[in-house]
Amino acid sequence: DSGVTQTPKHLITATGQRVTLRCSPRSGDLSVYWYQQSLDQGLQFLIQYYNGEERAKGNILERFSAQQFPDLHSELNLSSLELGDSALYFCASSVALAPVYEQYFGPGTRLTVT
Amino acid sequence: AQTVTQSQPEMSVQEAETVTLSCTYDTSESNYYLFWYKQPPSRQMILVIRQEAYKQQNATENRFSVNFQKAAKSFSLKISDSQLGDTAMYFCAFMKSPNAGNTGKLIFGQGTTLQVKP
Repeated sequence: DSGVTQTPKHLITATGQRVTLRCSPRSGDLSVYWYQQSLDQGLQFLIQYYNGEERAKGNILERFSAQQFPDLHSELNLSSLELGDSALYFCASSVALAPVYEQYFGPGTRLTVT
Repeated sequence: AQTVTQSQPEMSVQEAETVTLSCTYDTSESNYYLFWYKQPPSRQMILVIRQEAYKQQNATENRFSVNFQKAAKSFSLKISDSQLGDTAMYFCAFMKSPNAGNTGKLIFGQGTTLQVKP
């Protein structure tokens, strides 16, 4: 158990809908990263927050957004969902803004868009 | 931009044998970090081993070791005495050195599926 929690574990929804994925980092970790794992794109970085502020963006679609709250949990919002958004979404956390060592990954949220 | 390439989509090894997974990367950075992550069927991402580019000594963690060739931009993972629990997908990942402007995002390779056979 990495100490990073993600809810829900599984999510099935229809095209055009909006969903919110939640992540709670390890106690004391200020930095949260979101990654998407799909068959087409592999594992790719989406966005990073540090202590409530956005610090880096990767290949994140405009239909996707995220935020980090004062209690440091983070939410990834996916809207106008398409079939291609079906993927495993990981959250990872680390202590520092740019960790020298590892990021700790949550168990992921499996999103299925039908 | 940095890229990470794993040229072996699938590999298999007999239990107790040794296997080496390959990874190459492309970067213009002089200092960076390299990682191997394991993703078993549970889908959890687990850090196996890490290597700092400024260190010449290859990292080792129990049965796992790396062969880091900085000039060749190669970072292979050797698993000794393979166990059934090593069956998983293995990802090689690159991270820029943490300094101004580098936020620590990981860039992953495509992954290698390893099957350990009894």
